[in-house]
Amino acid sequence: RKEVEQDPGPFNVPEGATVAFNCTYSNSASQSFFWYRQDCRKEPKLLMSVYSSGNEDGRFTAQLNRASQYISLLIRDSKLSDSATYLCVVNTGNQFYFGTGTSLTVIP
Amino acid sequence: NAGVTQTPKFQVLKTGQSMTLQCAQDMNHNSMYWYRQDPGMGLRLIYYSASEGTTDKGEVPNGYNVSRLNKREFSLRLESAAPSQTSVYFCASSREQFGSYNSPLHFGNGTRLTVT
Repeated sequence: RKEVEQDPGPFNVPEGATVAFNCTYSNSASQSFFWYRQDCRKEPKLLMSVYSSGNEDGRFTAQLNRASQYISLLIRDSKLSDSATYLCVVNTGNQFYFGTGTSLTVIP
Repeated sequence: NAGVTQTPKFQVLKTGQSMTLQCAQDMNHNSMYWYRQDPGMGLRLIYYSASEGTTDKGEVPNGYNVSRLNKREFSLRLESAAPSQTSVYFCASSREQFGSYNSPLHFGNGTRLTVT
C-alpha cells in the first residue's frame, strides 16, 4: 500500500467554482502534513501546512482528520492562476512521502 | 534570497557517461535531499543527508552516490548513466530531518536529465 494516495484527477472547473481534493495516508504515526503546488515543469512550492484544527489562507482551507487518516484542500472562488498540480506531502519519522498529485485546470 | 540552487538545469548524457548534479542552499538548513520525479510516480527519495557529515539511502539509491560537502552543499553523482535514470531531479532542504510544521521542504528548480 502506498504511503500517500491522491486522486490524480484531472479536475476541470470553471472560474469561480469551489473544488476540493482529498489525500489519504497509511501511517498513523505521521507527524506533519503539507500541501504543495507544482506548476508544469517547475519545482513544488509549499502552499500551506495542514494543522489538526484546520487552517485557512485566503481562498484556501486545509483540514486534517487523524482518525480517518486523510487531509483535504478546499479552494474557493477558483482563479485561472490556480491551475496546477497539487501534491499532498506527509512527514513520517525521518521521511517525507508524496502523493502523485492532483491536476487542476480552471477554465475561463 | 536564493533558497535552493541546482545546476545544471538541463543535461543530455549518453549511456555510460558520468555527471554530478550540484545543489546548494543558503537557508542554513540542516537536512538536504535528492528526489527524482517520473510521470505517474510522484517524487521518490534517492538519498538524503540529515546533517552535515551524514548521508543515507532513500527509496531508489541504486546507480547514484552523494556527497554532503558542507552544510550548504549536497551533490548527486551518476557514475554510469542508464536510460532508466532519465528523469527530473530535485534537490530540497529542510531545517530539520524530523519534520515539524516549522520544517517543510524547500525545493530547487530541478534538473531535467535525458540519458540516451
